[in-house]
Amino acid sequence: GAVVSQHPSWVICKSGTSVKIECRSLDFQATTMFWYRQFPKQSLMLMATSNEGSKATYEQGVEKDKFLINHASLTLSTLTVTSAHPEDSSFYICSAEGLAGGRDTQYFGPGTRLTVL
Amino acid sequence: SQQGEEDPQALSIQEGENATMNCSYKTSINNLQWYRQNSGRGLVHLILIRSNEREKHSGRLRVTLDTSKKSSSLLITASRAADTASYFCATIKGGATNKLIFGTGTLLAVQP
Repeated sequence: GAVVSQHPSWVICKSGTSVKIECRSLDFQATTMFWYRQFPKQSLMLMATSNEGSKATYEQGVEKDKFLINHASLTLSTLTVTSAHPEDSSFYICSAEGLAGGRDTQYFGPGTRLTVL
Repeated sequence: SQQGEEDPQALSIQEGENATMNCSYKTSINNLQWYRQNSGRGLVHLILIRSNEREKHSGRLRVTLDTSKKSSSLLITASRAADTASYFCATIKGGATNKLIFGTGTLLAVQP
C-alpha cells in the first residue's frame, strides 16, 4: 500500500513552454502533498506544500507564479512549470502524506526528470 | 539553511562489510528519518527514530540518535551490491505541516 505515482517520468521541452507534472496517491487519500526538486548529486530541496482545496505554501525563494501547484482532489496534485528555461531542468519529486500513512511518514513518487532545451 | 549535514559524502566498501553513515542536524526534532534513493529514482523510507529513542533496528539496518549532539547514524550490516544507493537523513521542520528537511546525503557504493 501507500503508492505514489508521477507522470510523466521524464519530459523534454523547449524554452518558453509550460510543463505539467502530476502526482497521484494510488491507494490512499493525501491531504497534503509536497513538491521537491533535486539537482544532480545534490539533496532534495522542498519547493512547496500542497493542501487539498487550498492554496499551496511556497518555500522562500520559490516563485509561485513560475511553479503553479494545484491540489484539486485528495489523490492528485499537479506542478506546472511555466515558461520553462534551461535552469529549470531538474528532477522533480513529490511526496504524499495521508490518512493511511500517518503524519510522520511521507511516501515519495518516482520522480520526473525535466530537461529544458 | 536548516539542511543537515551528512558524512561521508561518498563511501565505497566491499560486499559483506558494514557501512556507517552519519547525519547532523541543527534544530530540535520530534523524529529523524532515513531514506534511500537509487540513482534517478524516488525515495524509499527506511526507518524512523523518535527523539525519545536512542537506537532502532530494522533487518540489517541500525539507527542511533543522540539528541544532545544533534546527530544520528545509520549502520548497514553485511552490505550487498544491491545496497548501492544514496542515503539521506531527514528531519521535520516544525509547524502545522510535516515539512521534511533533508541532509546532504551519502552516496554508498558496494563493490561485489
